[in-house]
Amino acid sequence: EVQLVESGGGLVQPGGSLRLSCAASGFTFSSNWMHWVRQVPGKGLVWVSRINSDGSSTTYADSVNGRFTISRDNAKNTLYLQMSSLRVEDTAVYYCARVSLYCSTPRCSDAFDLWGQGTMVTVSS
Amino acid sequence: DIQLTQSASSLSAYVGDRVTITCRASQTISTSLNWYQQKPGEAPKLLIYLASNLQSAVPSRFSGSGSGSDFTLTISNLQPEDLATYYCQQTYSTPTFGGGTKVEIK
Repeated sequence: EVQLVESGGGLVQPGGSLRLSCAASGFTFSSNWMHWVRQVPGKGLVWVSRINSDGSSTTYADSVNGRFTISRDNAKNTLYLQMSSLRVEDTAVYYCARVSLYCSTPRCSDAFDLWGQGTMVTVSS
Repeated sequence: DIQLTQSASSLSAYVGDRVTITCRASQTISTSLNWYQQKPGEAPKLLIYLASNLQSAVPSRFSGSGSGSDFTLTISNLQPEDLATYYCQQTYSTPTFGGGTKVEIK
């Protein structure tokens, strides 16, 4: 089955750290860029970070730059998000998402075509 | 960053109605615009890519249009299972999402 399964969420104190994992199965994980997206319960989707297919290039939202690190292990078919110096405002459901390239003549563009079920991160004292 | 504005945060319609959701980009993004459906308690699901192309297995009552900076998602013949929040997303540059439009059934 083609799927993404996140894990690693939980309760952490402000200033603490947490590592999220996203296990991929059913597709060639090493071929796809991957992203993290978060959502405060009841609120909208917010893009967090992305990593290219071989892990050599990463990008972050300003709100997490310098505190979060995205990485991947293609041998283990797993995506990671290392979160440090956590703040109350980082509380959210964190989703991993697969990006695929879609084309419709004459253009091509990315879309997030596979999402995990999400893992809840709560930052609170 | 490119901002996406969905003017309606929520709307209510009857089963069988035609529903239109709009999304405006802060700058031109060609057709690099996707639409997602998120049902309560679930992860988002891709509905439309490149502004007007239906993702595989998505019912044909969903359609998208637009280019440049103005885009529309239309649900013709609204069904009870379409209760959800709909988000636009641009992938012209670093991805961003619109604020979402919650569709409720009267």
